Amino acid sequence: QKEVEQNSGPLSVPEGAIASLNCTYSDRGSQSFFWYRQYSGKSPELIMSIYSNGDKEDGRFTAQLNKASQYVSLLIRDSQPSDSATYLCAVNKAGNQFYFGTGTSLTVIP
Amino acid sequence: DVKVTQSSRYLVKRTGEKVFLECVQDMDHENMFWYRQDPGLGLRLIYFSYDVKMKEKGDIPEGYSVSREKKERFSLILESASTNQTSMYLCASSLRRNEQFFGPGTRLTVL
Repeated sequence: QKEVEQNSGPLSVPEGAIASLNCTYSDRGSQSFFWYRQYSGKSPELIMSIYSNGDKEDGRFTAQLNKASQYVSLLIRDSQPSDSATYLCAVNKAGNQFYFGTGTSLTVIP
Repeated sequence: DVKVTQSSRYLVKRTGEKVFLECVQDMDHENMFWYRQDPGLGLRLIYFSYDVKMKEKGDIPEGYSVSREKKERFSLILESASTNQTSMYLCASSLRRNEQFFGPGTRLTVL
């Protein structure tokens, strides 16, 4: 079983819609959760971090964490073509090591 | 702003060459990481370091070594480059268990 699993997509949404990206993790001891955005040919860029159950909002982005279900999601409201990228979910357990999902490819159609 | 820099954006080497990839961060982070990223395989951890002169193997350390002589610098060494080491190499740093910040990446081609 992989430490972090994401649906690889591709996910396509029309401009202005809500994009919903999901991630599950295997270790209940996981403590920190992150979403990264990666444009083609570029390095991952941190967009959200979440540490406790519930929702965390930052502009058009909302991260949701449910530790009981071992599930973390990212909602992108009012999706824009510039949001088209691969989104990586990352999880940190008790140590210093991170575990990344393989990413979900998002395309926002104008 | 956190800044992580890598010595080269693109690198072309020949099979059997010794290759050095350097990474420098300016935020006094304890932890530094080297990943490679290949299509369909995602990010795979090669080595990480949580302190000067300390190193830990990641998931795919074979064929690689690392050096961390100073806190801000973490080097990845390919002792004898092979074609299956053609990849995007990404360096990252973090403060304790907090978020990782990535450098721009080095796209290495081994011919």
